[in-house]
Amino acid sequence: QQQVKQSPQSLIVQKGGISIINCAYENTAFDYFPWYQQFPGKGPALLIAIRPDVSEKKEGRFTISFNKSAKQFSLHIMDSQPGDSATYFCAGTLLTASKLTFGTGTRLQVTL
Amino acid sequence: EPEVTQTPSHQVTQMGQEVILRCVPISNHLYFYWYRQILGQKVEFLVSFYNNEISEKSEIFDDQFSVERPDGSNFTLKIRSTKLEDSAMYFCASIPAGLRPYNEQFFGPGTRLTVL
Repeated sequence: QQQVKQSPQSLIVQKGGISIINCAYENTAFDYFPWYQQFPGKGPALLIAIRPDVSEKKEGRFTISFNKSAKQFSLHIMDSQPGDSATYFCAGTLLTASKLTFGTGTRLQVTL
Repeated sequence: EPEVTQTPSHQVTQMGQEVILRCVPISNHLYFYWYRQILGQKVEFLVSFYNNEISEKSEIFDDQFSVERPDGSNFTLKIRSTKLEDSAMYFCASIPAGLRPYNEQFFGPGTRLTVL
């Protein structure tokens, strides 16, 4: 099985808080782990991605933490804003233009 | 900024009918994909296409499905005889050409297919 498990299914965070979404993968051949952000009526858009040779990647308010031994990775959104309200998908794949195996998605709502 | 476009945005069809979903990838992209998302479920891979042939397909992509790139710009997904369970959002995605070390797929906005 090449599943990617994602939790929680939905998340409500107050403005300024930290949003944390967790994923676990099974396929140890995966060597690229992107996070996609999807707004209603739009297709998923790449937000941030990490390779398993690093334990953390930060881009602005978004950070991926990666634990290779546990086969887990997570997305942290610092100082969450209402504009971050969207559905977030983690994925696992290979670097070489391979298919994305998505998690089940997390619907994030950031309240004022 | 160039975008992947898809038409129609919503397609309603009767069970057993053929449908063609259309995608226009970004112009210099070389790898093309179709995914689908049944309402409330995860996005699932259907098929990848490179150099005018299928490079990989999932178990979902059976003989009822086909893809082609008829004119060098459009990328189509055909479902020959639709079933109720084909109702889903279908996403097209693509990857640019050139030395791109990472698998960054650009997605279209999707076509919502409703089979009655």
